[in-house]
Amino acid sequence: AQSVTQLGSHVSVSEGALVLLRCNYSSSVPPYLFWYVQYPNQGLQLLLKYTSAATLVKGINGFEAEFKKSETSFHLTKPSAHMSDAAEYFCAVSDSGAGSYQLTFGKGTKLSVIP
Amino acid sequence: ETGVTQTPRHLVMGMTNKKSLKCEQHLGHNAMYWYKQSAKKPLELMFVYSLEERVENNSVPSRFSPECPNSSHLFLHLHTLQPEDSALYLCASSQEGDRGGGTEAFFGQGTRLTVV
Repeated sequence: AQSVTQLGSHVSVSEGALVLLRCNYSSSVPPYLFWYVQYPNQGLQLLLKYTSAATLVKGINGFEAEFKKSETSFHLTKPSAHMSDAAEYFCAVSDSGAGSYQLTFGKGTKLSVIP
Repeated sequence: ETGVTQTPRHLVMGMTNKKSLKCEQHLGHNAMYWYKQSAKKPLELMFVYSLEERVENNSVPSRFSPECPNSSHLFLHLHTLQPEDSALYLCASSQEGDRGGGTEAFFGQGTRLTVV
C-alpha cells in the first residue's frame, strides 16, 4: 500500500522568499513521485515528476524537488516566490510498474504569497 | 483543440434530475479517469477505463454511471444525486505502457457540480 503525507494544509510566504512544500511518502516498492499544481477553478497541472533517474528534478515555473530515499521525502522548492505561484499543490505517488490509476494523492497544500 | 476538455464547467441540478458530464481527450491516450474533489478531502479516484474497458470502480454509488464509448470520450451519467455529491469532478487521461509506471495523468478543468 502507498500513502502520501503533505505537512501543512496552508503555507504563506512573502514575495521573493523561499518556497518549501513538504511531502513524505510510503511505498513498498520504489516509487514514482509527482507534484501537481491547481489554480482556482482549474484542473491539476503537472509540475514535475521523479521516475528513478536523477534525484533532483526540475519542473516548470522554476520549481524543483529532491527525492531522498532515506527520508522518504520529495519536498518541493522554489528559491523566490512570485505572486502567480499562489495555488494549491498536490504530491502524488505511484508504485513503479503500476499505471497512473494507481496514483495516490496527498491532501494538498494551499500556498499564499504575500506582497 | 488540445488536452482534456470537460463540459459543462458548471452544473446545478436538483436531486431528481438526470444529467451527464462529458470529457474528451485530444492526446491519443489509452486510459481515462473520473476523480471527485471535495473540500478538505484528498482526490478520490472514482472510475478508470483502460482501452475502453472499465478496470477500476472504487465503491462508487450506483447513482454515478460511467460510459466510455471510445478511447477519446468519457461520460459520467448522474441521477438522483444527494447534496453531499456536490464537488468538482475531474476527468484525466494518460498513456499506459506495457510496463506501466511513471506516466503522468493529464487533467481537464473540471465540472463544478452543485446538487440542490
